[in-house]
Amino acid sequence: DTAVSQTPKYLVTQMGNDKSIKCEQNLGHDTMYWYKQDSKKFLKIMFSYNNKELIINETVPNRFSPKSPDKAHLNLHINSLELGDSAVYFCASSQGLGAPDTQYFGPGTRLTVL
Amino acid sequence: AQSVAQPEDQVNVAEGNPLTVKCTYSVSGNPYLFWYVQYPNRGLQFLLKYITGDNLVKGSYGFEAEFNKSQTSFHLKKPSALVSDSALYFCAVRHLGYNQGGKLIFGQGTELSVKP
Repeated sequence: DTAVSQTPKYLVTQMGNDKSIKCEQNLGHDTMYWYKQDSKKFLKIMFSYNNKELIINETVPNRFSPKSPDKAHLNLHINSLELGDSAVYFCASSQGLGAPDTQYFGPGTRLTVL
Repeated sequence: AQSVAQPEDQVNVAEGNPLTVKCTYSVSGNPYLFWYVQYPNRGLQFLLKYITGDNLVKGSYGFEAEFNKSQTSFHLKKPSALVSDSALYFCAVRHLGYNQGGKLIFGQGTELSVKP
């Protein structure tokens, strides 16, 4: 039983295309996140959602648009893909926004923009 | 500003020897600290966290971490390393600022290599 799942696992596309990554969690958590891991393995928050509401947008270009249709899902749509968008994108979830709450991560989606 | 530093890009250990992966932090207020492990082409797996209380925290796969407030450190340790422990390890601190959305701030990662 996968706690946090993402699809697709790999995504290869051309510059200028639009693509989406889907994330689902079956942990009953209220809060979900998107993180980006760059080529140097550095991890940085992109968005967090709580009860389907956007809480933070960490200076992400507006080509990135997250959508949370319900508490169990947080999808990431990316318009007009650029070479610099190539990275691994991780979805995560936690019980809530409380400081002690552990974040559980999905397996990641490796996006390659050609 | 809240931050985390992992001073070693790589740690090499012989199997059976103890291992330490270092982490130091800078926060305003009480720190909430986490360790995650990333195996090749896999997601991050939670190992352990420090919230409050005992400075020695025990986690998954035989790992433990020692919180040291005076040295602002949270080093990850294991008494006897296994080859299968070879992976990328991340230390993280929970951002406590208002409207920070509960984000984790990660260190740059430490590659642990355990040789037979």
